[in-house]
Amino acid sequence: EVQLVESGGGLVQPGRSLKLSCVASGFTFSNYGMNWIRQAPGKGLEWVAYISSGSSYIYYAETVKGRFTISRDNAKNTLYLQMTSLRSEDTALYYCARRSRRFSFFDYWGQGVMVTVSS
Amino acid sequence: DVQMTQSPSYLAASPGESVSISCKASKSISNNLAWYQEKPGKANKLLIHSGSTLQSGTPSRFSGSGSGTDFTLTIRSLEFEDFAVYYCQQYNEYPYTFGAGTKLELK
Repeated sequence: EVQLVESGGGLVQPGRSLKLSCVASGFTFSNYGMNWIRQAPGKGLEWVAYISSGSSYIYYAETVKGRFTISRDNAKNTLYLQMTSLRSEDTALYYCARRSRRFSFFDYWGQGVMVTVSS
Repeated sequence: DVQMTQSPSYLAASPGESVSISCKASKSISNNLAWYQEKPGKANKLLIHSGSTLQSGTPSRFSGSGSGTDFTLTIRSLEFEDFAVYYCQQYNEYPYTFGAGTKLELK
């Protein structure tokens, strides 16, 4: 069974940093591209970042480019999102999601981890 | 960015009825569209990809249609477990974008 479990969320002050993790199980992690997607309270879904299976290709949403860094450790089956210079508008539920093998839709999602940016 | 306009935002129906949700893209996305289901306490579930291809495990009462800019998700003979929030998403180009969601409520 494919499982994606996020962690590392919490309350953080504006301007500070936070690092999210997503541990994958039930599939060969190193064979799949991975994504972070977020949902602000009462808002819709926003794709945040993508990393290819071997970390060769990385893409970001303009809203986080230069502040967030996506990375992965295939030996640990873990995806990361390093978030710096956090803003109140980064407050959201952050999901990790697996990219399908052939196309860029998200075939499995985690349940999400909450990040609240507030003083 | 490709804007995805989803309608309606809310939909009330009864078990056994059929409903349709529309998703319109601001430019052609070929058939690079997926539909997801969101339920409280559960991971989002991929229902349909490539506009009309049912993901493994998706009940046959779900169907998707469309290509280019206009897409539709139809659920026939609603069951209680179908009352949820539904999102469309385009994956034709970065940044990938989602519709605002449709909440399907029990009438």
